[in-house]
This record gives sequence, C-alpha cells and structure tokens, in this order.
Amino acid sequence: ILNVEQSPQSLHVQEGDSTNFTCSFPSSNFYALHWYRWETAKSPEALFVMTLNGDEKKKGRISATLNTKEGYSYLYIKGSQPEDSATYLCASYNAGNNRKLIWGLGTSLAVNP
Amino acid sequence: DSGVTQTPKHLITATGQRVTLRCSPRSGDLSVYWYQQSLDQGLQFLIHYYNGEERAKGNILERFSAQQFPDLHSELNLSSLELGDSALYFCASSYSGTSGNTIYFGEGSWLTVV
Repeated sequence: ILNVEQSPQSLHVQEGDSTNFTCSFPSSNFYALHWYRWETAKSPEALFVMTLNGDEKKKGRISATLNTKEGYSYLYIKGSQPEDSATYLCASYNAGNNRKLIWGLGTSLAVNP
Repeated sequence: DSGVTQTPKHLITATGQRVTLRCSPRSGDLSVYWYQQSLDQGLQFLIHYYNGEERAKGNILERFSAQQFPDLHSELNLSSLELGDSALYFCASSYSGTSGNTIYFGEGSWLTVV
C-alpha cells in the first residue's frame, strides 16, 4: 500500500492569518488527489478534486495546487476565520492502490479569534 | 446535507452481537463506500460497491460483510463484535466511482460495543 502523508499534524493560527499545509502522495500511476474539510461532529465535505499537474483550484478563501511529478499538493487558506477550524484531509487515487483512495491522517487547524 | 443517509445514527451493543448499518446513497450515485473512523486512526477504507458489485476491498475484517442492493442502498454487517470495533462508520457515495468523482459522505453511524 502506498502512503499519503499530511503535514503538519496540527496547526494553531490567529484569526486573519494565512496558512498552508501539505499533502504528499505517491507520484507513480497517479490519477487524482482529493481534498476534504471535516468539521467536528459533521461528515467530511469535499473541497477539491484535482487531476492535472500544475492544476490550481479555488473556493472562496481556500485554494489548492497540485504537483503530480513530485507528488505533493498544497492547501492554502487566506485570512483564516474561526469557522475554518476543522481537519483537512487529502486522499490520493493511484493505479497501484487497487482502485481505491488512500487517505492521509489530516491536518487539524484551529483558528483563534 | 450531502444527500447520503445513514441509519442508525447511534448504536450501543454488547460484545459478540451482530449489527447492520444501512446507507442510502445520493440520488443517481451508483457507488457506495464504507469507511471506519476510530479514535486513534484516520479514515480506514473498508469496501466499495458499484452498481451492486464489489469494486474494491480495503482493511475489512472477515467478521464484517457488506452488500449493495438493486435499489443501490447498501448494508454493512458487523458480527461477533469486539470492543475494538467501536468506531464511527461512514458511508459515502459517488456517481461512478472513478478517480475524479467527488465523494459525498453521510453523517456516520456511531457504534459503541460494551
């Protein structure tokens, strides 16, 4: 099984700060990279699905980039707000993983007001 | 609301018992996934069904089984339950199950084994 790693494991920022975290995934036989936002007591919610090298996606103050050659994706949050507090999960779909998403353990973000 | 419905939301049962968790996917979605979330682990993929057929299998124990019915709803059966099976079980669905499809999660079924 090929692993997906996320860093940092947790992050505390002040309201208004911009922040970013990393998802590292296997670059071989890559198909797609998923980002999800998971708030406490709720279910994971899709942010982005990215497939092309160099892809950049944006949703409000959140954006993501993808480098499939080196196997990493960055998630950026501009001007963090307390409501951004959540765990951000990424998952990679590689052909070598027998047609299933492999999930990272997530980055837990806490935004202090 | 993701459109994925899971029942029951909470369940407490004794060791050795058997339970069934139920999932209705979003309207139009053909793929159903089951995941287990334990306190000390990330999302663990259990199994994926597409249009009634098993598509991929993850770390699913032999004591667990699942199926997807003709109306596309799915059930996850957990038997001979152990304390360590206590977890949040998520069902998720997507349109076709290919790599680029967004996956929509239900709210989960909390299972406590005592």
